[in-house]
Amino acid sequence: QQQVKQSPQSLIVQKGGISIINCAYENTAFDYFPWYQQFPGKGPALLIAIRPDVSEKKEGRFTISFNKSAKQFSLHIMDSQPGDSATYFCAASTSTSGTYKYIFGTGTRLKVLA
Amino acid sequence: GAVVSQHPSWVICKSGTSVKIECRSLDFQATTMFWYRQFPKQSLMLMATSNEGSKATYEQGVEKDKFLINHASLTLSTLTVTSAHPEDSSFYICSAPHWGADTQYFGPGTRLTVL
Repeated sequence: QQQVKQSPQSLIVQKGGISIINCAYENTAFDYFPWYQQFPGKGPALLIAIRPDVSEKKEGRFTISFNKSAKQFSLHIMDSQPGDSATYFCAASTSTSGTYKYIFGTGTRLKVLA
Repeated sequence: GAVVSQHPSWVICKSGTSVKIECRSLDFQATTMFWYRQFPKQSLMLMATSNEGSKATYEQGVEKDKFLINHASLTLSTLTVTSAHPEDSSFYICSAPHWGADTQYFGPGTRLTVL
């Protein structure tokens, strides 16, 4: 119940295309869903995050879509660029626990072809 | 966003020695910090939660005597890998939630190689 399932494991997209990564969860107590971007040899960097009270959040080329009833959320990268090539992790946490512990997805390796 | 630093960025040590990794929150105070371990092409595995002024909370399967955590101040947590062995070679990353926020800010990571 604590798992966050992420798919696909890897993704290849042409430059200018849309990259879509999906995550699903079981624990309805989760109330914070961030996405992180990680380049090789670096720590993860926060991209965008959403709470269950909204169905979509957009920041620049990055959009999170959230489906509370289906317990799914996804990251859309519009106009994908070679510089977006990285590993993306979704995560979920429960703010009410007060511990801020994240449950991470397994990651998606994105490659954007020039 | 908030800044978290780690030192060193990489370290090579001989088997049997101990290695200390520092994690600092540079522009905010963190009563809680997290330590993760990441193997190549894998996700982040939470090792322990570091609590300022109290004992760390370790995840199941993580040896607390092997991975010593000290959170001596509101801006510094340290992870000491004791009697390191080649199987401890990994990428260690710390994170800290900005006070009162759900967002965790991650350090740049420390690459440990045990020969």
